[in-house]
Amino acid sequence: QKEVEQNSGPLSVPEGAIASLNCTYSDRVSQSFFWYRQYSGKSPELIMSIYSNGDKEDGRFTAQLNKASQYVSLLIRDSQPSDSATYLCAVNGQAGTALIFGKGTTLSVSS
Amino acid sequence: KAGVTQTPRYLIKTRGQQVTLSCSPISGHRSVSWYQQTPGQGLQFLFEYFSETQRNKGNFPGRFSGRQFSNSRSEMNVSTLELGDSALYLCASSFEISSYEQYFGPGTRLTVT
Repeated sequence: QKEVEQNSGPLSVPEGAIASLNCTYSDRVSQSFFWYRQYSGKSPELIMSIYSNGDKEDGRFTAQLNKASQYVSLLIRDSQPSDSATYLCAVNGQAGTALIFGKGTTLSVSS
Repeated sequence: KAGVTQTPRYLIKTRGQQVTLSCSPISGHRSVSWYQQTPGQGLQFLFEYFSETQRNKGNFPGRFSGRQFSNSRSEMNVSTLELGDSALYLCASSFEISSYEQYFGPGTRLTVT
């Protein structure tokens, strides 16, 4: 059974701090990794994708991938109250297989 | 470019009835995936269609079915509704089959009474 694990949280950080969200996955041959943000009552929104080991930066967001450790993380710099949401990690294994989602980590940024 | 659209947005049905949900993908996207989201189980994969063919299927009973049309629009059907089918049903589209980035529609909130 392929699994994607995330701490449910809530993760609480003060405004301006760095929020670190973590995700582990079980399928060693996973190829594609995604982070989605979901506000309460809304649908998930894709914020980052990463396919190779290392860091990928986009504005205040940095995704980090370590395939050897089967670990992917999302860093949010200068966290804002508007970043308060549930963050979903999604992993895809071999090409053509379904995307598997973790249950999400709830982030709360206090002003 | 217009995003993924889903209709209807809200639906209330009675146990035992059936329901059909519709999804129109982003223009040019050929893959459509369906998910069920509940507070307890999170996002659970139902099935994925690509070029009118079901390519992947999740672990749901046969009461859940779907199809895709030649214009990539997709429908899912749930027959003999049960109370436990109450959930947010999300459709996501991607340019290619699931290894590519998926973009979600707003969802259909189904309540079964």
